[in-house]
Amino acid sequence: AQSVTQLGSHVSVSEGALVLLRCNYSSSVPPYLFWYVQYPNQGLQLLLKYTSAATLVKGINGFEAEFKKSETSFHLTKPSAHMSDAAEYFCAVIYGGSQGNLIFGKGTKLSVKP
Amino acid sequence: DTGVSQDPRHKITKRGQNVTFRCDPISEHNRLYWYRQTLGQGPEFLTYFQNEAQLEKSRLLSDRFSAERPKGSFSTLEIQRTEQGDSAMYLCASSLDFTRLAESYEQYFGPGTRLTVT
Repeated sequence: AQSVTQLGSHVSVSEGALVLLRCNYSSSVPPYLFWYVQYPNQGLQLLLKYTSAATLVKGINGFEAEFKKSETSFHLTKPSAHMSDAAEYFCAVIYGGSQGNLIFGKGTKLSVKP
Repeated sequence: DTGVSQDPRHKITKRGQNVTFRCDPISEHNRLYWYRQTLGQGPEFLTYFQNEAQLEKSRLLSDRFSAERPKGSFSTLEIQRTEQGDSAMYLCASSLDFTRLAESYEQYFGPGTRLTVT
């Protein structure tokens, strides 16, 4: 079955440190890839997307992600964490042949220590 | 741009009661999706509409669930004879259709309706 795997349900970093959240997809055909952020009791906000253009994608709030076909990965990074980055992050894919519905990973909760 | 809105934001109901949620998508968006998110999990797809037509339903959508999108505008999701397992956040999202290329794959989410079945 097509799936999305996020390694690490909880990641903790210090303010100013590098943020790295991992995401791997399961398809030989590159899908469309997304990262969403969810703050407590809120809906999801799109951070960035990959739709077969540039492999390094820049998003909002200083986040970026790199699509690596050989590794079937789409990891999310930010050079310097800020307290306001504390939230839950979801990797999601739209696989070819689907009706456009998103398949989500289980999420990674990011904590930022002062 | 008012974004996607959902009503109510919270709903507490007793087991066996019926509940109905409403979603108002972004006005020019043809596609509307419903997802369910349980605690500690990512959202799971339930169903989607292209204009007023319901084109796909997940196996998660049991016979107790029904969704409508009359006139291709707002949508409602009804759960009949609620069970405690229905307790979750119900999220609605909308997007353009695929003829608008890359930007059409972006789904914009509402704030969700949190359902608690006691």
